[in-house]
Amino acid sequence: AQRVTQPEKLLSVFKGAPVELKCNYSYSGSPELFWYVQYSRQRLQLLLRHISRESIKGFTADLNKGETSFHLKKPFAQEEDSAMYYCALSGALSGGYNKLIFGAGTRLAVHP
Amino acid sequence: DTGVSQDPRHKITKRGQNVTFRCDPISEHNRLYWYRQTLGQGPEFLTYFQNEAQLEKSRLLSNRFSAERPKGSFSTLEIQRTEQGDSAMYLCASSFGGRNTEAFFGQGTRLTVV
Repeated sequence: AQRVTQPEKLLSVFKGAPVELKCNYSYSGSPELFWYVQYSRQRLQLLLRHISRESIKGFTADLNKGETSFHLKKPFAQEEDSAMYYCALSGALSGGYNKLIFGAGTRLAVHP
Repeated sequence: DTGVSQDPRHKITKRGQNVTFRCDPISEHNRLYWYRQTLGQGPEFLTYFQNEAQLEKSRLLSNRFSAERPKGSFSTLEIQRTEQGDSAMYLCASSFGGRNTEAFFGQGTRLTVV
């Protein structure tokens, strides 16, 4: 079965500390992986996707097919990074691209 | 605001009543999705439309749920005979077709069944 696992419900760090939000997935083929973010009182929005290989707001994520992981990293956390982060996948086996399967989410709290 | 809009933002209803939610996608988008999110969980896929055709429905979508997208524009999600377990945030998203296109989400309709 296709599944996304985010093992941490809450990640609490101080400003300037490195951040790694973990995401593991279960998928038989080649999925597309995404990170979505939801800031307080805002809608869910795309942060980045593995196919783009880009850094957004200082965040990067590398797809590791051997470990079936797509961890989100940032070297120096900022207070404005505090939000709910969701890892998601899509692919042909999950019913087609753009149908997203989400993890349960990790709340990142960055303290001053 | 030219993004995805949902109405109402909040709905409180008594158990057994019917409710209907509306989603207006971004106008150029031909794909429209409904998701449901309960407390402490990520969004779960319910159904999606390509233009006016409903192409997939999740097993989560019982026969009390029905969705339409007449003319391939706005969509409605109706829940009949609501149950307390239907209490959740209902999210709508839209996108262009094809791979890797970004899904844009609405702000959701929070349903509380009392």
